[in-house]
Amino acid sequence: GAGVSQSPSNKVTEKGKDVELRCDPISGHTALYWYRQSLGQGLEFLIYFQGNSAPDKSGLPSDRFSAERTGGSVSTLTIQRTQQEDSAVYLCASSLNGGGTGGHGYTFGSGTRLTVV
Amino acid sequence: GNSVTQMEGPVTLSEEAFLTINCTYTATGYPSLFWYVQYPGEGLQLLLKATKADDKGSNKGFEATYRKETTSFHLEKGSVQVSDSAVYFCALSDPSSNDYKLSFGAGTTVTVRA
Repeated sequence: GAGVSQSPSNKVTEKGKDVELRCDPISGHTALYWYRQSLGQGLEFLIYFQGNSAPDKSGLPSDRFSAERTGGSVSTLTIQRTQQEDSAVYLCASSLNGGGTGGHGYTFGSGTRLTVV
Repeated sequence: GNSVTQMEGPVTLSEEAFLTINCTYTATGYPSLFWYVQYPGEGLQLLLKATKADDKGSNKGFEATYRKETTSFHLEKGSVQVSDSAVYFCALSDPSSNDYKLSFGAGTTVTVRA
């Protein structure tokens, strides 16, 4: 597509439930990134994909968080047993290639606003 | 490690006023510096960038100069418009380490009144 598409745009879930957030990157972009934006906080790096593999998942805050990418395209971020502190905007970005771009050519999606009640 | 600190908002201005948003950074190497803008309901967009000391990035009337001596990258615009209302993020990447990763500041919300 023309841009990075994320779904759903808003998600309200009960504490303890699992949620899946989807990111559809720009066609042909090999690198994909997930960031989290909490209220009053900057953007926090979660995970980086190059193709289907994740060379850096150091930002995932706990083992309740996982992500996968299939076909070098769509990525899903899964949060198990959600907690209230998981409430945030989850942003996805893609770029034509990964290392060496230094942020050049990142395209961000509009994000998924997750609220855990 | 790498980090970015930017001035807290919110900032409210009248049209045609001068805007400055301060940004300072800490980095282990020689980072590239960026300003991203997030308009209401939209994703982050790259506003401008600078990749080495004394470089000036500019776009849409905004400017920022990479100051290595003060580790700063302050964003300025001489005459703001209502359409500049947005959240502005300062960010860096460090080519000497994990180049693909961006470190962001907390963001500054700017509201311009007609």
